[in-house]
Amino acid sequence: RKEVEQDPGPFNVPEGATVAFNCTYSNSASQSFFWYRQDCRKEPKLLMSVYSSGNEDGRFTAQLNRASQYISLLIRDSKLSDSATYLCVVSRYNQGGKLIFGQGTELSVKP
Amino acid sequence: DVKVTQSSRYLVKRTGEKVFLECVQDMDHENMFWYRQDPGLGLRLIYFSYDVKMKEKGDIPEGYSVSREKKERFSLILESASTNQTSMYLCASSFSRGTPNTGELFFGEGSRLTVL
Repeated sequence: RKEVEQDPGPFNVPEGATVAFNCTYSNSASQSFFWYRQDCRKEPKLLMSVYSSGNEDGRFTAQLNRASQYISLLIRDSKLSDSATYLCVVSRYNQGGKLIFGQGTELSVKP
Repeated sequence: DVKVTQSSRYLVKRTGEKVFLECVQDMDHENMFWYRQDPGLGLRLIYFSYDVKMKEKGDIPEGYSVSREKKERFSLILESASTNQTSMYLCASSFSRGTPNTGELFFGEGSRLTVL
């Protein structure tokens, strides 16, 4: 079983739609959680951190459920420019803070 | 802006060749990482380094070695390339590993290696 699992998609949604991505992690020692975004043929870049209380950045909302070892990302009012692959990432503090990446969920927003 | 530069965007090598992938960062970051990215598998950590001349194995170190002689430079070495090492290789750097970990890795643009 992979340490970080995501639905690979692709998710095909119309502009303006709300879309949610889910991610589960298996290592209960994981301490920090993040969403990265990777555009086609580009390098990954940090989108947002995920905090226990949940956090929001504009149209993006991230949630964490430690008991279920589950992370989510909600995108409201999707834009064409949101088309990308979204990577769920966890950090193992007991191994020096290494980041472990999920395989990514592909999002395609259509006009 | 942080800049992580990988020496080659595209390489084609033959089985058994020795391959060097170079990575340089310009932000005085202590931590540097090498990942490979394959379809359906995501990014997998090969090696990482928290300091000069220091290295630690990641999740898939077999067939690879690394060198960090200077803080800004982290090299990935394939001693004898094999076809299963055909992949996209991504170098990354980050600030000190001391808590809190911001989780922000800065990646290079990647080196696509094809081994024939």
